[in-house]
Amino acid sequence: DAKTTQPPSMDCAEGRAANLPCNHSTISGNEYVYWYRQIHSQGPQYIIHGLKNNETNEMASLIITEDRKSSTLILPHATLRDTAVYYCIVVTTDSWGKLQFGAGTQVVVTP
Amino acid sequence: SAVISQKPSRDICQRGTSLTIQCQVDSQVTMMFWYRQQPGQSLTLIATANQGSEATYESGFVIDKFPISRPNLTFSTLTVSNMSPEDSSIYLCAYRDSGSRGYNSPLHFGNGTRLTVT
Repeated sequence: DAKTTQPPSMDCAEGRAANLPCNHSTISGNEYVYWYRQIHSQGPQYIIHGLKNNETNEMASLIITEDRKSSTLILPHATLRDTAVYYCIVVTTDSWGKLQFGAGTQVVVTP
Repeated sequence: SAVISQKPSRDICQRGTSLTIQCQVDSQVTMMFWYRQQPGQSLTLIATANQGSEATYESGFVIDKFPISRPNLTFSTLTVSNMSPEDSSIYLCAYRDSGSRGYNSPLHFGNGTRLTVT
């Protein structure tokens, strides 16, 4: 699976949009981009995933660049409960979706 | 999505002993996975629990140390054998929905078992 690069930490003001970048420059055509988050003392929580089109659900939006080498997770109105480690993971169709977690981005939402 | 639960949620064990962690899903699921999260670290995949056959282990993990059972489509156990302090971690199970294509269905995680070995 392609590796991902994320900033180690980010701060975000409550009520503002949080834009979390992820670089996956070696992604191949059959690999999806998944985002999970892990709130302290809980298991990871699925947020969203996409192949090449932008995606939106009730939690977030995922913007994937046209060359698919990077993506951005957008939390439209961050709340204190969004404080968590966010993981960007590239998953190949051949791996039965096994997730290989990197270090992620520690997001702290402040009042 | 189905509800997934793990037991125990935490335990403190003595070195040399073994602990079996249970993972229960409230509906049948195709695939179940076991992960480890060492203190301050990210998650590492231990193995895929296969129903009716032996688990598939990732590099660095062996069956003698982490035996896994998957007797049916709703249940799995992970045993941490002959424990040492280095085994102190959070152990998490996860599942993928039945009937979904593997690459297009997210994993759902339990809240983990926090193990401390003294």
